[in-house]
Amino acid sequence: DADVTQTPRNRITKTGKRIMLECSQTKGHDRMYWYRQDPGLGLRLIYYSFDVKDINKGEISDGYSVSRQAQAKFSLSLESAIPNQTALYFCATSDGRGGLTDTQYFGPGTRLTVL
Amino acid sequence: GQQVMQIPQYQHVQEGEDFTTYCNSSTTLSNIQWYKQRPGGHPVFLIQLVKSGEVKKQKRLTFQFGEAKKNSSLHITATQTTDVGTYFCAGPNTGNQFYFGTGTSLTVIP
Repeated sequence: DADVTQTPRNRITKTGKRIMLECSQTKGHDRMYWYRQDPGLGLRLIYYSFDVKDINKGEISDGYSVSRQAQAKFSLSLESAIPNQTALYFCATSDGRGGLTDTQYFGPGTRLTVL
Repeated sequence: GQQVMQIPQYQHVQEGEDFTTYCNSSTTLSNIQWYKQRPGGHPVFLIQLVKSGEVKKQKRLTFQFGEAKKNSSLHITATQTTDVGTYFCAGPNTGNQFYFGTGTSLTVIP
């Protein structure tokens, strides 16, 4: 959906560098998520935030940190990138009104390569 | 922890053949969602199933939720090249985290 944007779309970096991936949304949703996608492993949740003051670890948070700067912005940082963090990263949002039945809306993805 | 497994991981079919992907959870799910990701694209929501034994149809796509709410399937009748992509199921845990299945990549050979 064009309502969820991610920058950059592609990034190549070196081991040990600090990297920030940014996500913005104009859907007015409270809930935002960061996933990584690896071949054969599907989508795995890294962090999620239900509102500006709420940050939660997901399934694979080690090596990552996040910041929810505003309702519309949720950034993911790799403090010291390593090659096995090479993956496709997706940001997603949901409105939270459905609770456990929330539909997730994904951004276009950021392809990150760590050399 | 909760796991959602999908089979098969890959499927190649001739255009016009049927296709089915299966999703199995280690725990009972309150609901299950299906998403489609076109090559080079992002996952897009298709449908949600909530009730035990529920069946929903979208044109050539039929979605089923198992009686025990631990498995689900997506069946496509008479595949077309526009059906190409990866299909994911997803189910929530009690913390409202969605666990996505490993996905089934569908290739349709014209």
